[in-house]
Amino acid sequence: DAGITQSPRHKVTETGTPVTLRCHQTENHRYMYWYRQDPGHGLRLIHYSYGVKDTDKGEVSDGYSVSRSKTEDFLLTLESATSSQTSVYFCAISEFDEQYFGPGTRLTVT
Amino acid sequence: ELKVEQNPLFLSMQEGKNYTIYCNYSTTSDRLYWYRQDPGKSLESLFVLLSNGAVKQEGRLMASLDTKARLSTLHITAAVHDLSATYFCAVDALDTGNQFYFGTGTSLTVIP
Repeated sequence: DAGITQSPRHKVTETGTPVTLRCHQTENHRYMYWYRQDPGHGLRLIHYSYGVKDTDKGEVSDGYSVSRSKTEDFLLTLESATSSQTSVYFCAISEFDEQYFGPGTRLTVT
Repeated sequence: ELKVEQNPLFLSMQEGKNYTIYCNYSTTSDRLYWYRQDPGKSLESLFVLLSNGAVKQEGRLMASLDTKARLSTLHITAAVHDLSATYFCAVDALDTGNQFYFGTGTSLTVIP
C-alpha cells in the first residue's frame, strides 16, 4: 500500500460546512495527488504536490484547496462543501513512474 | 482537452472465454497504466507500459501499447470469476508534471 493512509475514511457533512481530508505517507515520496472518483468519470485529478509548499491545480480544482507543510502530509480542504462534492476521494503518491493509491475517503454532503 | 476513452464500459462474459478491453487516448504519451478496482476498494496497479510495443502479461491478463495509434489493449484469456472487477487505464501525458488522466473504466463481470 506504499504506506499511504487517509483520514477520515467516511464523512457525512452538511452543505456549506468546511471539510478537510488528510493524506499521510510514511516513505518520503515527493509527489502526492488528490483525485475524486465519480460514476461515469473514472478518477479526476483535483490538485497535486511536487514538494513541501509546492502545489498545482488539476483538472477539477474549483472549490478545493490544498496544503503541504510537511513531506508526509497532504491536506485537501473543501472551504464550503456542496452536494456536487459528494464523492470518493483518493490520495496517491508517485514512485518510479507509478502511482500508488490510498484506501479512499467516502464523503457525503447533505 | 486530453481524453482517455475505454470500451466497452460494461462487459459480461462467461468463464473460459476471451475478450479485449480497449483504451484510446488523445495525447502524445509513451506511458500507459492499467489498474484494477474491486467494489469499495482502492486501485491496484496491474501493468505499467513505458514504450511503444510494450507487452506485459500476468496470469490471464495481457496488456500492450501502441503509441503511434494511441491505443492500449487489455486482453483476458479464459476468464475466471475472480477477474470480475472494474479496470481502468491511465495515461501519463508528457510535460504535465506527472499528471495521470484516467479512462472511465470497464466493469467486467465473469459469469460462472
